[in-house]
Amino acid sequence: QSALTQPASVSGSPGQSITISCTGTSSDVGSYNLVSWYQQHPGKAPKLMIYEDVKRPSGVSNRFSGSKSGNTASLTISGLQAEDEADYYCCSYAGSSIWVFGGGTKLNVL
Amino acid sequence: QLQLQESGPGLVKPSETLSLTCTVSGGSISSSRIYFWGWIRQPPGKGLEWIGIIHYSGRTYYNPSLKGRLTISVDTPKNQFSLKLSSVTAADSAVYYCARFNDDSDDFDYWGQGTLVTVSS
Repeated sequence: QSALTQPASVSGSPGQSITISCTGTSSDVGSYNLVSWYQQHPGKAPKLMIYEDVKRPSGVSNRFSGSKSGNTASLTISGLQAEDEADYYCCSYAGSSIWVFGGGTKLNVL
Repeated sequence: QLQLQESGPGLVKPSETLSLTCTVSGGSISSSRIYFWGWIRQPPGKGLEWIGIIHYSGRTYYNPSLKGRLTISVDTPKNQFSLKLSSVTAADSAVYYCARFNDDSDDFDYWGQGTLVTVSS
């Protein structure tokens, strides 16, 4: 299983919206509604932000939303805030009881 | 509040076996059939890699790239689960996280703080 493909970095200004893509294949992202997204601040453990492609855990800001089209899932953050600056990782079920992460995207809030 | 805490040696010699334990507090490791318990690692400056998960019943699922070197086990009386990775090389140096996997929603919803393991002689 190859890692899912994410852009190395994205940037945005406070108040703007950004979208991070996560591209897989028809064997993982495209086959299941089981993409999750994690936020990781430096030196900290990842935090679940989105699950099952589009659902948000309780306590996560509604500025975070997930979507999917074909083999590409996306995380959108609206109303960017300085505290959103972090690394973001997608993860998908890949069949045969295997899960695969994306390579990660560094979000810079300018 | 559920908490997970990794423990184990921070330095392992090449060709030896890396052993880590995750202690779960604030809840029972066998509280529900929907939960698995897993390991994820992150080499310094790099991305996350799924290692494997275990159910309290003992059912395991492993990353194929680590199969043959990897054993994940569970000790329900102690509320712990463990990872053993044999024949380690420098490529196994990473921060190792333990986490709870929710099989209903297919996500890792609780994480430990992570522990750095360096493979070096």
